Amino acid sequence: EVQLVQSGTEVKKPGESLKISCTGSGYTFSSYWIGWVRQVPGKGLEWMASIFPADSRIKYSPSFEGRVTISVDKSISTAYLHWISLEASDNAMYFCARFAVIGYFMDVWDKGTTVIVSS
Amino acid sequence: IVLTQSPDTLSLSPGESASLSCRARQSTGRSVGLSRPFVAWYQQKPGQAPRLLIFGTSTRATGISDRFSGSGSGTDFTLTISRVEPEDLAVYYCQQYDTSPYTFGPGTKLEIK
Repeated sequence: EVQLVQSGTEVKKPGESLKISCTGSGYTFSSYWIGWVRQVPGKGLEWMASIFPADSRIKYSPSFEGRVTISVDKSISTAYLHWISLEASDNAMYFCARFAVIGYFMDVWDKGTTVIVSS
Repeated sequence: IVLTQSPDTLSLSPGESASLSCRARQSTGRSVGLSRPFVAWYQQKPGQAPRLLIFGTSTRATGISDRFSGSGSGTDFTLTISRVEPEDLAVYYCQQYDTSPYTFGPGTKLEIK
């Protein structure tokens, strides 16, 4: 079974750093782009960034480039999203999703990681 | 590319059909369509992750009921849900993957009477 499993809820203070993870299984992890989608409470979906594990090619949405860093460790089939300094505006649910091999749409999703940033 | 969806909310009785619209335009405001039919639709039920319904404008994803169908081209795309059921209560999002950044529409909420 193709599956993505994300790390759990995080509660952080403004200015702190954070790295959340997403581990894939049941498929050839290196062969599919994998990415992150943000959903602010009560709002819609925003694609943030994607990475191709085989060669670490990266794509960022201009809205998020410079604010977050996407990375991957293909030896453990895990992708990461990293913040150096969190802000209150980073309060959101973050979904990890696999991109289909035939196009940049997302065919497998995990349940999401809640990030709470509060002083 | 900016996607707009209409209506914001759709309230239907079981058995009725739903027609959800998704329109594409450039962020400059020009109504220039997608050069390829690279539109996907997702269903997000309350408290759940999104689920892929349709890709390539009209191809149903694995396991998706044939009550869901997609159509369109250029600037106008439509998701049709025939014979709406209570389990279809959700927000439906369109996404274009013709051009990076891959953008989503704001969603249409489907309510069941």
